[in-house]
Parts: sequence; structure tokens; C-alpha cells
Amino acid sequence: NAGVTQTPKFRVLKTGQSMTLLCAQDMNHEYMYWYRQDPGMGLRLIHYSVGEGTTAKGEVPDGYNVSRLKKQNFLLGLESAAPSQTSVYFCASSYLGSSGYTFGSGTRLTVV
Amino acid sequence: AQRVTQPEKLLSVFKGAPVELKCNYSYSGSPELFWYVQYSRQRLQLLLRHISRESIKGFTADLNKGETSFHLKKPFAQEEDSAMYYCALSGGSNYKLTFGKGTLLTVNP
Repeated sequence: NAGVTQTPKFRVLKTGQSMTLLCAQDMNHEYMYWYRQDPGMGLRLIHYSVGEGTTAKGEVPDGYNVSRLKKQNFLLGLESAAPSQTSVYFCASSYLGSSGYTFGSGTRLTVV
Repeated sequence: AQRVTQPEKLLSVFKGAPVELKCNYSYSGSPELFWYVQYSRQRLQLLLRHISRESIKGFTADLNKGETSFHLKKPFAQEEDSAMYYCALSGGSNYKLTFGKGTLLTVNP
């Protein structure tokens, strides 16, 4: 039982490059979320999804796009990376209820 | 709008001392409150949720609606408790979690 798996774990990008972060969960959760974690800022919600085929903006969506074509996968895209997007990105999923989230292990992204 | 405030960025205690990590929230409805813990460079793990009223690893937290607080307490801190602690609030039907900025707890030997 893998839970929530994020790939890649680490990545260095040059300014202007694009990339996609993959989040996969095997718990049949309806809800999935992308957060970024920055020192002194806590975790801030980028985008989220309440089910297959749905996406919605969170607190800091600018510069990111997402897709949820399959229930188990939630993709986060950076079309043109900027140094301000250097961060640790966490994916999470939750069941339709109040059980809290299951987090992935994070992706450490550096944009130079 | 929902907001979570953790007033202390850093908290340092000695082993065996009591510890209290403060959390205050702002939400107009009936919130669900959580504490998450993140050990060094690991993923966040759910520590407590107020609806279950449980004690995990010796930690407890009580929701005080009058003071809009959900402080995390442990009577005797251990070195392995050193970690980043996040208070989080869930409100509304989409189960979004709003996190505080976190408190880094260091337990000294």
C-alpha cells in the first residue's frame, strides 16, 4: 500500500523551463491537493480537485496549472518556471470525510 | 475566510519539561482542527484531530471555541518530539486545509 507517491523527488530547472510534477494515490480518495512549503510561510494551497475531471484554484495558483484526468493522479504543471517557484511541493489526498489528509513525501524544486 | 495563527515560530524546551504549542483560528462556521507533525525533511503526518479526542505520542489538544484555540500539549517532552508542528483548519464542503505557519519545536537533552 503506497499511499501518496510523488515524482520526481528532486529537480533543478532553469528559468523559463517547464515541468510536470506527478502525484499518484492508491487509496481511492476523491479529494487531492497541491501545496507549496516555504520557510516562514507554512503550507499554501496551490490547486485542488474534488474529483476526477475537476480542478479549482487555491491560495497561490498563479504560474501553475493542474489536471486530474484519472481519479488516482493529480498533475501539477509549471509552464515557465521562475525563481520564485523554488519550493518544496507536497501533494495530499483525502477521503470524502473529516479524516484529514495523507501527504506525499514532497518534491524539492529549485529554479535557477 | 479561514485563518490559522501559530504565534511562535520557534519553541525550545528541555527534556522532561511540559510543552504547549499555541494555535488560534478564525472561522465563521464550525471548524475541524488538526495538528500535523513533520520530522526533519519528511512528509507531514497527522498527529491529532479534535473530533477524535485522542492522545497520540502523549500529545493532547482541546478545542476551545470560546477562545478559538486548539493548543497542543504534552506534559513531558522527549528529544524525539523535536519537529515542525502545523496546526490546520478544515471548513466548508471541499475539505480544504488551511495551515498555520508552523512552530519548530526543539527538545534539548
